[in-house]
Amino acid sequence: EIVLTQSPATLSLSPGERATLSCRASQSVSSYLAWYQQKPGQAPRLLIYDASNRATGIPARFSGSGSGTDFTLSISSLEPEDFAVYYCQQRSNWPQITFGQGTRLDIK
Amino acid sequence: EVQLVESGGGLVQPGGSLRLSCAASGFTFTSYWMSWVRQAPGKGLEWVANIKKDGSEKYYVDSVKGRFTISRDNAKNSLYLQMNSLRAEDTAVYYCAAYSSSFYYWGQGTLVTVSS
Repeated sequence: EIVLTQSPATLSLSPGERATLSCRASQSVSSYLAWYQQKPGQAPRLLIYDASNRATGIPARFSGSGSGTDFTLSISSLEPEDFAVYYCQQRSNWPQITFGQGTRLDIK
Repeated sequence: EVQLVESGGGLVQPGGSLRLSCAASGFTFTSYWMSWVRQAPGKGLEWVANIKKDGSEKYYVDSVKGRFTISRDNAKNSLYLQMNSLRAEDTAVYYCAAYSSSFYYWGQGTLVTVSS
């Protein structure tokens, strides 16, 4: 099983600041990594697929990078609606799909 | 508008059974693998099962193999999850999702509680 480790567990920032979230895989997942945003009481929403491709309708302030075992989700300038939990997910080991444990982005 | 609407959740005793349904609309159902993903209270996301576009292939996370069965009815644009021999650790919100290299569309989820 490929284990995804996200860091930090919690990130406290202010609106307007830049956020950098990390996801590390226990073995190479090539570029088969996605990022999701989940707000309280809501379903997750796809942000980034295949490491760096924004999903339809996702603002340009969200960007993804990385390959192999180290990946980053960046939010260039935080908006109030960006405070949520973020998950990474790999499909390299298809059909066994795994998620990271999540990073909570809190308002400072 | 894309919609995935789950139903069938509820309270069930350990060892019991439950069948979840997911009605899809607003997209071409047969163009997507479909999946179930669950989230235990206060916890992260866990992939549960996938089914191929035509239903010919099915895959499960190890913890539910032999107990859960995923199926679909393409004529009704519907996805199902038959859950047997339920355990306390199966308590979660169950989401259906349309999969195409990632979980592209999600339903709002249905809560399954396994407790005596």
